[in-house]
Formats: sequence, structure tokens, C-alpha cells
Amino acid sequence: AQSVTQLGSHVSVSEGALVLLRCNYSSSVPPYLFWYVQYPNQGLQLLLKYTSAATLVKGINGFEAEFKKSETSFHLTKPSAHMSDAAEYFCAVSSNFGNEKLTFGTGTRLTIIP
Amino acid sequence: DTAVSQTPKYLVTQMGNDKSIKCEQNLGHDTMYWYKQDSKKFLKIMFSYNNKELIINETVPNRFSPKSPDKAHLNLHINSLELGDSAVYFCASRSRGSDNEQFFGPGTRLTVL
Repeated sequence: AQSVTQLGSHVSVSEGALVLLRCNYSSSVPPYLFWYVQYPNQGLQLLLKYTSAATLVKGINGFEAEFKKSETSFHLTKPSAHMSDAAEYFCAVSSNFGNEKLTFGTGTRLTIIP
Repeated sequence: DTAVSQTPKYLVTQMGNDKSIKCEQNLGHDTMYWYKQDSKKFLKIMFSYNNKELIINETVPNRFSPKSPDKAHLNLHINSLELGDSAVYFCASRSRGSDNEQFFGPGTRLTVL
């Protein structure tokens, strides 16, 4: 079984400040890990993914995440927040074989303070 | 040139009614999914089809019946709607060998009164 824990259902940062959204996973098999973003009343858009290649993954809109197996973490960061980053962010895990559903965390709402 | 589309975007209906949500993808993907997002934004898999064959059924009540007429379409039919069915339903698709990257539709907000 796989699971994802996102610490902090709400995170607020000032415009220009560092964004850090936390994600810890549990998986009995090598995982694939994803970050998706959901803007209000829209679908989910992939930000980035880890699929057992480089542990530091760069995504769209200046976001990146680092896979740390020893910490079972896949935290999302962005050096400088922009107002347009305000959205809901979801971390997700799947296995790399067999049942390939995505198991999502509960999401983190990111608010940007002007 | 929408990749994954869903209709309708909004659906308001009375308890006990039967309704359908349609999903189409023009990406040439083999696998399609239905996810449910509840009022707390929690997303959970409901079904998965691969090439018109049911692969995943996550203990969803049998009032929910997915139908895949071809690999580009995965529709969701819901019988005897209940208040607890109110949610946003997302369709997604994935190609074989894509590292399980799933492309999501815009969602259908279902409100049961």
C-alpha cells in the first residue's frame, strides 16, 4: 500500500519569499512521485515528477523537488514566490509497475501575501 | 485542441436521479481514470480502464458504472444519486510507458440536492 502525507494544509508566504511545501510518502516498492497544481475551478496540472532518474527534479514555473529516500520525502520548493503561484498543490505517489493509480495527499493551499 | 475534456462542467440534480458524465481524450492514450474530489479537496481513484478493459475498481458503490465504448472515451453513469455523491469528478488519461504521468480533465462539479 502507498500513502502520502502533506504537512500543512495551508501555507502563506510573502511575494518574493521561498516556497516550501512538504510531502512525505510511504511505499513498499520503488515509487514514482508527482506534484500537481490546481488553480481555482480548474483541473490538475503536472508541475514535476520523479521517476527514479535524477533525485533533484525541475518542473514548470520555477518549481523543483528533491527525492530523499532516507527521509521518504519529496518536498516542493520555489526560490521566489509570485502572486500567480497561489493555488492548491497536491503530492501524489504511484508504483512503477502493476497497479498504477495515483494516491494523493490531502493538498496544501498556498497563499501569497503581497 | 483540448487534451482531456469532460461534459458537463456543472451538474445539479435531485436525489434519486440518474446522471452521466462524459470524458474524451484526444491524446491517443491507452489508460483512462475517474477520480473523485470531495468537499475537502481530497482526491481518490474510483476506476481505471485500459483499452476498454476495467483495471481498477476501488470499492465504489455499484450505483457507479463506468463505460468505455472505445479507448478514447470513459463515461461515468451514476444511478440513484445521493447527497454524498456531491463532489468534483475528474477524468484522467495516461499513455503506456509514460512513467504514469496522468493528464487531467477540467472536472465536473456534481451537486445533488
